[in-house]
Amino acid sequence: DIQMTQSPSSLSASVGDRVTITCRASQSISTYLNWYQQKPGKAPKLLIYAASSLQSGVPSRFSGSGSGTDFSLTITSLQPEDFATYYCQQSYSVPPWTFGQGTKVEIK
Amino acid sequence: QVQLVQSGAEVKKPGASVKVSCKASGYALNGYYMHWVRQGPGQGLEWMGWINPNSGDTNYAQKFQGRVTMTRDTSISTAYMDLSRLRSDDTAVYYCARERGTGDAFDLWGQGTMVTISS
Repeated sequence: DIQMTQSPSSLSASVGDRVTITCRASQSISTYLNWYQQKPGKAPKLLIYAASSLQSGVPSRFSGSGSGTDFSLTITSLQPEDFATYYCQQSYSVPPWTFGQGTKVEIK
Repeated sequence: QVQLVQSGAEVKKPGASVKVSCKASGYALNGYYMHWVRQGPGQGLEWMGWINPNSGDTNYAQKFQGRVTMTRDTSISTAYMDLSRLRSDDTAVYYCARERGTGDAFDLWGQGTMVTISS
């Protein structure tokens, strides 16, 4: 199974900050990498698919990049509603679909 | 409105079984694979398996083989996940999630069903 490792596990940031979360796959997954946002008590929400494609309805301050084994999710100008936990997921070598352990973005 | 609506919270005893339902509305259930993902308290996301609602074909994560059964009833646009021989570490929120396309992301999620295992 492909292992997904996110860093950092948590971070503190202020409204308006630029935030970058990284995700590394244990082997090459091309661009089969997806990003989800999860708020407390809610289901995950798809933000980015295929490494860099923005899901319909997701604000343009979210962007994704990378290929192979190294990926990143960037939030430009962090907004109050962006404080949440973010997960990466690989959909290259499936099954199983595997997720990173999550990155919690907290208010500084 | 395109959505997945899951059944309500459950409390079960160790050794029992639980069946969670996931009703699709606003789209054709048999047009997309349906996955099940669970999340333990304070934990990350764990993929359990999928069902092809069109054919009924399934694929389960090795960890759950022999304990999980995924089915569907296309006449009522509903998918089901049945987990047997429940243990305390099965306490989790269980989600159904629609796959966009083959080997793709999960673009639509149910609201989650809390399953608590307690003696």
